[in-house]
Amino acid sequence: GAGVSQTPSNKVTEKGKYVELRCDPISGHTALYWYRQSLGQGPEFLIYFQGTGAADDSGLPNDRFFAVRPEGSVSTLKIQRTERGDSAVYLCASSLQSQYNEQFFGPGTRLTVL
Amino acid sequence: AQTVTQSQPEMSVQEAETVTLSCTYDTSESDYYLFWYKQPPSRQMILVIRQEAYKQQNATENRFSVNFQKAAKSFSLKISDSQLGDAAMYFCAFRRSQGGSEKLVFGKGTKLTVNP
Repeated sequence: GAGVSQTPSNKVTEKGKYVELRCDPISGHTALYWYRQSLGQGPEFLIYFQGTGAADDSGLPNDRFFAVRPEGSVSTLKIQRTERGDSAVYLCASSLQSQYNEQFFGPGTRLTVL
Repeated sequence: AQTVTQSQPEMSVQEAETVTLSCTYDTSESDYYLFWYKQPPSRQMILVIRQEAYKQQNATENRFSVNFQKAAKSFSLKISDSQLGDAAMYFCAFRRSQGGSEKLVFGKGTKLTVNP
């Protein structure tokens, strides 16, 4: 079956612009996560959805970042007024609600803010 | 807050040899999960092995095994019979067992090079 997909694969934008990053989770997975991976670092948690609602958004760095999952499947991470420091790989993961709750990751979107 | 530390930014191993990657973590939780993920240049994180903290037996998956020392808060990964395809970034990660967020907390990673 299909894994987690993310689009676009790469996004180059200018400082101050608005961007949207999309994540298509594995069909049937109720949990969805966004992480940000800066160069030379491990992924850092941004937000976690259980169904349509954000169960934990404590990792969002500021109010320029926002994420939605309106139908409990596809999710969009939105970044307003992008800054050069937002440049990173944005990873999405999904999982079933189970004892082991393995998170399956997508290939990420590399965002470059010029 | 939980933290995960990987003290080896880079490691190298000869093909067919064994290598051990180190990981330590800090938590006040008594029940949790620990993971090792592999990230090749394609960027996609792949789960290598998982350990439940309540289990004393070390997890094993084919050539991959862990040495889990709960009291020392240590969770090392041993790769036996290393193959060229094992070359990648390896990340150690922590997750609470229950209550609150399901988020993973990652270390900074270890870059593994496998020499032919």
